[in-house]
Parts: sequence; structure tokens; C-alpha cells
Amino acid sequence: SAVISQKPSRDICQRGTSLTIQCQVDSQVTMMFWYRQQPGQSLTLIATANQGSEATYESGFVIDKFPISRPNLTFSTLTVSNMSPEDSSIYLCSVEGTTNTEAFFGQGTRLTVV
Amino acid sequence: GNSVTQMEGPVTLSEEAFLTINCTYTATGYPSLFWYVQYPGEGLQLLLKATKADDKGSNKGFEATYRKETTSFHLEKGSVQVSDSAVYFCALSESDSWGKLQFGAGTQVVVTP
Repeated sequence: SAVISQKPSRDICQRGTSLTIQCQVDSQVTMMFWYRQQPGQSLTLIATANQGSEATYESGFVIDKFPISRPNLTFSTLTVSNMSPEDSSIYLCSVEGTTNTEAFFGQGTRLTVV
Repeated sequence: GNSVTQMEGPVTLSEEAFLTINCTYTATGYPSLFWYVQYPGEGLQLLLKATKADDKGSNKGFEATYRKETTSFHLEKGSVQVSDSAVYFCALSESDSWGKLQFGAGTQVVVTP
């Protein structure tokens, strides 16, 4: 299994500002994923972050709005840039288990933009 | 594209009742199918999975069978407990990465004593 720590767990931010969310894993993993869960909706994949290469973004998500860093095999950050109230969501970090049999999720970051 | 459709909640049941949560999917290939569960105040965790047609996933008394002919993966439990109160998500992965998931909307289940 993998233990994932996300910081912050929640934040309230002013529109127009940016927030960086950190994801730390207790073991080395190849692939890390960032998801968004908007209020009352399901989880949507934002991007896949591999160490040593640029993140791969899903349709509807762009690097300028959600820049991602992946400096090593245990850490990643997601930045939500130039925030608006529509960015209010839970953002979750996820990793694939070393045996590739399941995904593990962090507790999420609850973001409110006012 | 791929999609996952699951029944809307909340589903409210009495303890020891039978639970079914319907899940159907559309996919261009042969996906792996999952049920994830989110207990109150906790993170998302895998409940069970099936990787090919006719496979049955099971865990904690829950079962789901991968039905290719009906493109379904319904979740069932014969006798629920209050501790089963949670949000249940059906999901699929069509890539070789089991971390790249497409989720259904989630179904909240409330079990009362």
C-alpha cells in the first residue's frame, strides 16, 4: 500500500490568487495523478504527473491554469492559478500501487474561493 | 469516449437490508472495473475490482460481477450494517495504468439502525 499526505487539507482563498497543493508519498512511485471533485459531482482526472517529464493534461485542463511539478518519485505539487469561485473543489492526489493493482488516494484538499 | 453511469442517491436502508447499486459503463476497449468507497471523514479507498468479463470482485461482504454483455458492474451486499454508510463510486480504467480512472457520480448510502 501507499500512504499519501496532502497539504493543505483545506483553504479559503481570494479570487485572482494562486494556491499550491503538495502531495507526499511514503514510497517511490512512477505515476502520480491529480483529480478534481467539484461540489456534488464525481472525480475528474486533471493530469498525470511522471517524474522527469512534463505532466499530461486531460481534455479541458491546461498547464497555465494547473501547473504541476514532479521533482522526484515521492513528491508532486499542483497549483491552481488565478483562482475564481468556479475553482472551489476538492483536489485529490493519487498514486498507482507498486504492484499496479490499485490506486491510492490522499485525503484531498478542500478549496474554497471567495 | 468512456463513461460510467451509476444510480443516484442517497440510498437509505435499514440495517440488515439488501443493497444494490447499479453501475453501467461505455468503453471502446476492455476496461478494468472498480468500486471505490469513501467513508465519512476518510479518503477514497478501493473496495473491489474485476479485470475481465465474468470476473467477480468481492470484499467485506460486497460483490460485483463484470458483465460484458450488459456493460454492467452492479455492487451488492446481502446484509448491510450502519458502518457501511459511505459514498460508493464505480470507476473504470482502460489504460494499462490502474491509476488513471474514470468515475461515476457516486452514490451515497445511509444505513439506519
